[in-house]
Amino acid sequence: EVQLVESGGGLVKPGGSLRLSCAASGFTFSAYSMNWVRQAPGKGLEWVSSISGSSNYIYYADSVKGRFTISRDNAKNSLFLQMNSLRADDTAVYYCAKHQVVVHNEGSAFDIWGQGTMVTVSS
Amino acid sequence: SYVLTQPPTVSVAPGKTARITCGGNNIGSKSVHWCLQKPGQAPVLVISYDGDRPSGIPERFSGSNSGNTATLTISRVEAGDEADYYCQVWDISTDHVVFGGGTKLTVL
Repeated sequence: EVQLVESGGGLVKPGGSLRLSCAASGFTFSAYSMNWVRQAPGKGLEWVSSISGSSNYIYYADSVKGRFTISRDNAKNSLFLQMNSLRADDTAVYYCAKHQVVVHNEGSAFDIWGQGTMVTVSS
Repeated sequence: SYVLTQPPTVSVAPGKTARITCGGNNIGSKSVHWCLQKPGQAPVLVISYDGDRPSGIPERFSGSNSGNTATLTISRVEAGDEADYYCQVWDISTDHVVFGGGTKLTVL
């Protein structure tokens, strides 16, 4: 079964850091681009970052560029999001999501989503 | 930046057809994907590349894309179709994924 399981969320003070992880199983992880998408309470989906299978292509939303870093460890089938200089408006459920197509294609749909991990930034 | 505009709400009676639009400048030149999200759950892909249905998605779900509007059509709507629906594209000019604001489908 194809599965994504996020972890690492929690309560952090403004200015603090947090590292999210996403454990993948059931597919050839290294062949697919992966993504982080977040959803603030009561709000819609907001794309955060994408990384290609070989980590050669990395993209960030303007709202997190310079503060967040996406990475992956293909040997461990894991995706990460290092979040620094956190702000209150970073409070959200963070989902990892898999690209649908195996070839490098930024325009791919996201066909598998994890259940999400909650990040709360508050003093 | 590229903006996708969806109606906040769409209401439809059971058994009827629901149409959810996603507006964007020349969106017909892009590949549009649709996902649904039920309360407390992760999003689920229902339509990819304008009109392709992933396995397991009922044939009642279909999509089209032309000009400045993409449309998700749900035929013979059921109570279980109530969810928030989001359109998604890749904006090549900014190298960003863009989501629409979402549409809440209410089954009357």
